[in-house]
Amino acid sequence: AQSVAQPEDQVNVAEGNPLTVKCTYSVSGNPYLFWYVQYPNRGLQFLLKYITGDNLVKGSYGFEAEFNKSQTSFHLKKPSALVSDSALYFCAVRVGAEGYNNNDMRFGAGTRLTVKP
Amino acid sequence: DTGVSQNPRHKITKRGQNVTFRCDPISEHNRLYWYRQTLGQGPEFLTYFQNEAQLEKSRLLSDRFSAERPKGSFSTLEIQRTEQGDSAMYLCASSYGTADGYTFGSGTRLTVV
Repeated sequence: AQSVAQPEDQVNVAEGNPLTVKCTYSVSGNPYLFWYVQYPNRGLQFLLKYITGDNLVKGSYGFEAEFNKSQTSFHLKKPSALVSDSALYFCAVRVGAEGYNNNDMRFGAGTRLTVKP
Repeated sequence: DTGVSQNPRHKITKRGQNVTFRCDPISEHNRLYWYRQTLGQGPEFLTYFQNEAQLEKSRLLSDRFSAERPKGSFSTLEIQRTEQGDSAMYLCASSYGTADGYTFGSGTRLTVV
């Protein structure tokens, strides 16, 4: 079974500073990793994913994430935070394997990012 | 296509009543998922459809819950004899392939009083 941990409930950064939202995972097999963002009273919005290839993946709104297999991590980053980035961020994992039909994407508990002006 | 649509947005019901939610996925997506999200938690997987076939069902989904996706288009999630513990946001998502990110709807917030 797969699982995801987001060790920080809350991350606070000043506008213009770099931000990191942490995620570690546990999965048997090759992971498919995802980041989603949730704004108040809205559904989750897909940001980026890692399936295979380059460990650094780029996504929407200037976000990027780095897959680190040895540390089983997939931290979300942005070089310069905006106040509008304030939201709830979820990391998710599913098993990615040829012929494997596991559709149970597991989500972390979420990290609330607050960017202050 | 305007994305994944869920109706109603909010539902307040008395304990013991039945409720039904509807999800209209993106038309090109053959995969449809239902999740439940409670305050302070990430979404929990409930069930999955590929076209009209319900291929997976979480143990979280008790016998009071049933989901359908007739003709592989929209889906409905019904909860019978609602309990206060059913109060949550019910999210629907769709995708095209296994490696794709999901597109989520805005959810239906259920309050059981």
